[in-house]
Amino acid sequence: QKEVEQDPGPLSVPEGAIVSLNCTYSNSAFQYFMWYRQYSRKGPELLMYTYSSGNKEDGRFTAQVDKSSKYISLFIRDSQPSDSATYLCAILDYGGATNKLIFGTGTLLAVQP
Amino acid sequence: DAGVTQSPTHLIKTRGQQVTLRCSPKSGHDTVSWYQQALGQGPQFIFQYYEEEERQRGNFPDRFSGHQFPNYSSELNVNALLLGDSALYLCASSGRGWNGYTFGSGTRLTVV
Repeated sequence: QKEVEQDPGPLSVPEGAIVSLNCTYSNSAFQYFMWYRQYSRKGPELLMYTYSSGNKEDGRFTAQVDKSSKYISLFIRDSQPSDSATYLCAILDYGGATNKLIFGTGTLLAVQP
Repeated sequence: DAGVTQSPTHLIKTRGQQVTLRCSPKSGHDTVSWYQQALGQGPQFIFQYYEEEERQRGNFPDRFSGHQFPNYSSELNVNALLLGDSALYLCASSGRGWNGYTFGSGTRLTVV
């Protein structure tokens, strides 16, 4: 079983739609959860990170963590063509000498004007 | 404020050759990590450097090695290149009071 699983898509939505992106993870000890956005031919850019369970909102973006079901989500409201990118969920594997990110495979999102 | 800079941006090498990739971390960051991202996949952790020492390593063979310099910049070396080493190589930096990793734009390596 992979440590982080993510639906690779691709996902195509019309402009203005609400987008839901999801990941599951296997290790209940994980505490830090991140979402990165990666445009074509660019490096990942940190969108949001959350600690433990709960929601975090930043403008049109909401990150949600449900530790009981080991499920993390990113919601994008009023999606724009500029949101078209690959979205990567990531978990920080942190403890002792360990400090690394474990990524999902990424979901390719296309927002059609 | 410059972010993470990587060079070169693109590279084509032949099987069996050796390659060196370079990274300058974001100003104020002292920890550098390297990731390999194959096409259509998420980045995979290669190793991390702090205080010029390799602090931890992912599941990559010894053909992958690195170095960190006193100014915190870093190099990734890959020996005896294989076709499967073709990927985007990403450098990420972080500092004290961790607030997420900052990634560079990567070096796209093609092995032919």
